[in-house]
Amino acid sequence: QVQLQESGPGLVKPSETLSLTCTVSGGSMRSYYWSWIRQPPGKGLEWIGYIYYSGSTNYNPSLKSRVTISVDTSKNQFSLKLSSVTAADTAVYYCARGNSGFAGRNYYYMDVWGKGTTVTVSS
Amino acid sequence: SYELTQPPSVSVSPGQTASITCSGDKLGDKYACWYQQKPGQSPVLVIYQGSKRPSGIPERFSGSNSGNTATLTISGTQAMDEADYYCQAWDSGTVVFGGGTKLTVL
Repeated sequence: QVQLQESGPGLVKPSETLSLTCTVSGGSMRSYYWSWIRQPPGKGLEWIGYIYYSGSTNYNPSLKSRVTISVDTSKNQFSLKLSSVTAADTAVYYCARGNSGFAGRNYYYMDVWGKGTTVTVSS
Repeated sequence: SYELTQPPSVSVSPGQTASITCSGDKLGDKYACWYQQKPGQSPVLVIYQGSKRPSGIPERFSGSNSGNTATLTISGTQAMDEADYYCQAWDSGTVVFGGGTKLTVL
């Protein structure tokens, strides 16, 4: 079955750019949305943004000015860049596969999640 | 921006029914979904499109969605159901999570 694996540095300095990659194995990226979600220590889930396999994106308005998500379907990977990080960006970062559509109402749900990777922002 | 509100905590005795609510403006016009997250683990989808269960999710998990409220119901709650639960909806192309509810089984 489809599996997702996050990778990237676990420690990032303040004001620098956080870069993570999610590798998709066991399935195609086609026809799905690919999301990044984060969870600060002891807090709830926060959606960062998603990219459709074709490349269209949508971001959380509160993070939009600092976020870039890209996709490389030839490598079955998608990536997150978050610029100008501060301690408030310290969190577990998850990637997830999204399903979206309309069945009388709009829906979006994430059915496959990576294990998450911890990113600490500190000098 | 769109907001979803959940109670911070819900307690239930083993074998009883637990109900976790999620409220948002005109939430009944959208499909909510629910995730279960146990300590140190990734979230797991337990309900999607309001009331559907993914493969492998026990029948005791059910969902409903009308008006301004979505509800996750766990019938015959077991100790293994103790976890944080998050509702989620899609509004104007953006994904919104509720703040999460800690379910305690005692």
